[in-house]
Amino acid sequence: QVQLQESGPGLVKPSQTLSLTCTVSGGSISSGGYYWSWIRQHPGKGLEWIGYIYYSGSTYYNPSLKSRVTILVDTSKNQLSLKLSSVTAADTAVYYCARAPVPTGAFDIWGQGTMVTVSS
Amino acid sequence: IQLTQSPSSLSASVGDRVTITCRASQGISSYLAWYQQKPGKAPKLLIYAASTLQSGVPSTFSGSGSGTDFTLTISSLQPEDFATYYCQQLNSYPPTFGQGTKVEIK
Repeated sequence: QVQLQESGPGLVKPSQTLSLTCTVSGGSISSGGYYWSWIRQHPGKGLEWIGYIYYSGSTYYNPSLKSRVTILVDTSKNQLSLKLSSVTAADTAVYYCARAPVPTGAFDIWGQGTMVTVSS
Repeated sequence: IQLTQSPSSLSASVGDRVTITCRASQGISSYLAWYQQKPGKAPKLLIYAASTLQSGVPSTFSGSGSGTDFTLTISSLQPEDFATYYCQQLNSYPPTFGQGTKVEIK
């Protein structure tokens, strides 16, 4: 059974770069057939898709965040990562990684999420 | 593409039939999914392709619609169904979510 687990600092200072890792267990990212996404949820608010990466390394980012986002994949470690630069308090949120099968595009497996607070 | 859910919240009793609506700002064919989220937990996929039930999801959940208007129906509300529900469009990037509908106990 595939599981996703996010990890990273829970507190980031304004203007710095937020860095998170998502470790995939029970399945291999390099087997293909899935988009691996980052999604965030501001406290008490709805869901915002940040971007995805395919095992080949191809990416697509939300235009609203594109200038600040980098998503990478490390197939040797079976991990994907998120970097969000120049963070502000508006980036405070729970960050999830999620898997979407290529045919459907719906997010069928999610990590538990990790809360990141941007504050000095 | 903007998704508007209605109502934003509702109160219902165990055993009630509940319907949640999601309207897209432009046609999205059947590229719509529904999720359930409980407090402090990640969303859970219920339905994709507008009406296909995700494996393991009770048959009390059903989805319908195409184009711009979609519905999620819970035929008989169970205690574990009290949660917030989100629709999501997969027709075009970026994927977007509705604002959510909170289902509370009456």
